[in-house]
Amino acid sequence: GQQLNQSPQSMFIQEGEDVSMNCTSSSIFNTWLWYKQDPGEGPVLLIALYKAGELTSNGRLTAQFGITRKDSFLNISASIPSDVGIYFCAGLDNYGQNFVFGPGTRLSVLP
Amino acid sequence: EAGVVQSPRYKIIEKKQPVAFWCNPISGHNTLYWYLQNLGQGPELLIRYENEEAVDDSQLPKDRFSAERLKGVDSTLKIQPAELGDSAVYLCASSLYKDTQYFGPGTRLTVL
Repeated sequence: GQQLNQSPQSMFIQEGEDVSMNCTSSSIFNTWLWYKQDPGEGPVLLIALYKAGELTSNGRLTAQFGITRKDSFLNISASIPSDVGIYFCAGLDNYGQNFVFGPGTRLSVLP
Repeated sequence: EAGVVQSPRYKIIEKKQPVAFWCNPISGHNTLYWYLQNLGQGPELLIRYENEEAVDDSQLPKDRFSAERLKGVDSTLKIQPAELGDSAVYLCASSLYKDTQYFGPGTRLTVL
């Protein structure tokens, strides 16, 4: 089946730094979603991408739908302590029915 | 607008006992999903409903898991009997159009 890989698996950054993470697959996806999950909570939708090459921002977050449709990227600018959490990407499968989730990138922000 | 509601938030049971989780989706969302999330992993789909019909239950372990969405609104996921390996977070999500989905807070199950 279709699978997603996320890198890095985890990262430690200083407050104020910019963050980049990505999501890749050997399969083509037609929609990409990025979520953030805090401990003990469900994933919260951050950004949705529907078109190859699309670049979408949500405050300090910017995500891009890769041209090949096999990857997506999430950038966070000027990180703050509340950015700590696990970031998941999800791609809509070839049949347009179900989302496949990556294993997540765990972000830690050091003061 | 209220989000996806799940209850209970936490459940601790002994193995071989039954357990049930409840989900109320966002009003008007006709698609409802149940996911399993193991520690350190992303959510994995168990079952997807379109209104009251289970249109994809291929990943649901049907020997012990069952689900229902009788009136096409709220849904219940049941495990009977529970096993140690069922300890995980059970997430419910809903969507209006299948190009996005919104999650509830999840139910954390611990099987002793």
